[in-house]
Amino acid sequence: GQNIDQPTEMTATEGAIVQINCTYQTSGFNGLFWYQQHAGEAPTFLSYNVLDGLEEKGRFSSFLSRSKGYSYLLLKELQMKDSASYLCAVRDKDYKLSFGAGTTVTVRA
Amino acid sequence: IAGITQAPTSQILAAGRRMTLRCTQDMRHNAMYWYRQDLGLGLRLIHYSNTAGTTGKGEVPDGYSVSRANTDDFPLTLASAVPSQTSVYFCASSDLEGADTQYFGPGTRLTVL
Repeated sequence: GQNIDQPTEMTATEGAIVQINCTYQTSGFNGLFWYQQHAGEAPTFLSYNVLDGLEEKGRFSSFLSRSKGYSYLLLKELQMKDSASYLCAVRDKDYKLSFGAGTTVTVRA
Repeated sequence: IAGITQAPTSQILAAGRRMTLRCTQDMRHNAMYWYRQDLGLGLRLIHYSNTAGTTGKGEVPDGYSVSRANTDDFPLTLASAVPSQTSVYFCASSDLEGADTQYFGPGTRLTVL
């Protein structure tokens, strides 16, 4: 099974940078995903890491260290629309996802 | 492109009643999933199907059943609803290839009284 931990809440100022950490313990690692979920909406895919290192997609970047069981999502140049929950999910060898409880990010003007 | 649709959007149900949540995808994805999302617990997998004709149990399958008669549809049935099944239910699909990203439907908000 998977044990996935991420902070419950984070607050940052518009234009700033926020880093959301995710640690996991897994019986069979096969990739890590980050999803964004606005209140009352469905999760939407942000990023995928299966090898160690940094994946950059515009203002969002995701990092993975498999040996440390650690990932982070970096949100740069924060905008008000980035206020949402960010879900860390680990995929196992059977292609099943286990999700963390999510980190609610509030962006303030 | 519709992606994944779910129905109903929301429902209030009396305990003991039977309810089927519908999910349809038009992406020809092989795999489909049902999750429930509860405050503070994140998304938990209820049932999944890797291909039409097959289904499997997830983390919290008790009280739920599914069927996969064809590629596009994956209904979730609550045979006799209980208040602990009050939740937001999300259907998802993926193609089981490459990154195998899961794409989610808009969700069904279910209240069991």
